[in-house]
Amino acid sequence: EAGVAQSPRYKIIEKRQSVAFWCNPISGHATLYWYQQILGQGPKLLIQFQNNGVVDDSQLPKDRFSAERLKGVDSTLKIQPAKLEDSAVYLCASSWTDQETQYFGPGTRLLVL
Amino acid sequence: DQQVKQNSPSLSVQEGRISILNCDYTNSMFDYFLWYKKYPAEGPTFLISISSIKDKNEDGRFTVFLNKSAKHLSLHIVPSQPGDSAVYFCAASAIQGGSQGNLIFGKGTKLSVKP
Repeated sequence: EAGVAQSPRYKIIEKRQSVAFWCNPISGHATLYWYQQILGQGPKLLIQFQNNGVVDDSQLPKDRFSAERLKGVDSTLKIQPAKLEDSAVYLCASSWTDQETQYFGPGTRLLVL
Repeated sequence: DQQVKQNSPSLSVQEGRISILNCDYTNSMFDYFLWYKKYPAEGPTFLISISSIKDKNEDGRFTVFLNKSAKHLSLHIVPSQPGDSAVYFCAASAIQGGSQGNLIFGKGTKLSVKP
C-alpha cells in the first residue's frame, strides 16, 4: 500500500512570495489533515478535511493560508504572502475515518528568507 | 499553554536496556493517547496507542502505560535497539468529542540507543 505522498520536499522562498504544497493521501482515506511543525515543536493541526469538506480549520491563519481538497482526494495548501515565521515543515496525514490512526507523509520543509 | 508535555528533550540508553519515555498532559478531556516515532527527513510513524479506559497496552517490545489520576503516560521499549534511535512524540486527543482529528502533540524526546 502506497503511503501519503507530498511535494515538493523542500522549498525556499522570500517573504511576501506565495507557495503551494500538494498532498496525495493513502487511497480510500476519507480524512485528510495538514499540520505545521516548527523546529523544536510538535506538529500542530492547521486544517482537517472529511472527503472534500472542512471539519476543523480553527487554527488556520486564514488571512494568509488557504487549503482545498477537490474531489475528496488530493489536497493543496497555499500560503500567500509568506512570512518569516512560516518557516516550518508542513505535514500531510490521512486516515480511513476521523476515528482511525493518522498516517503521515514525509513533509515539505519550507524556508522563508 | 502546552497541553501535552514531554519534559525530557533527549534520552540516551545502552542497547539491550529499557528505554522509558515520559509524557504529561493537562487537559482532563483527553481520552486517547498515541506515540509516534520520527526519523530525520521522514514524517511521524504511528507506534502504539491507548484509550483512557485502559492503563496498559502492549505491542511487541513497546508498552504504553497510562496513569489517569496523575495525567501521565509512559512508553517502555524493551529491549532497546540501535534502530529505535529517533524522536518520539506523545500525542493526545479528545475522541469523545467526535473526532480523533485534533491531535495535540508534545515537543518530542530524542532517543539515542548506543551499541
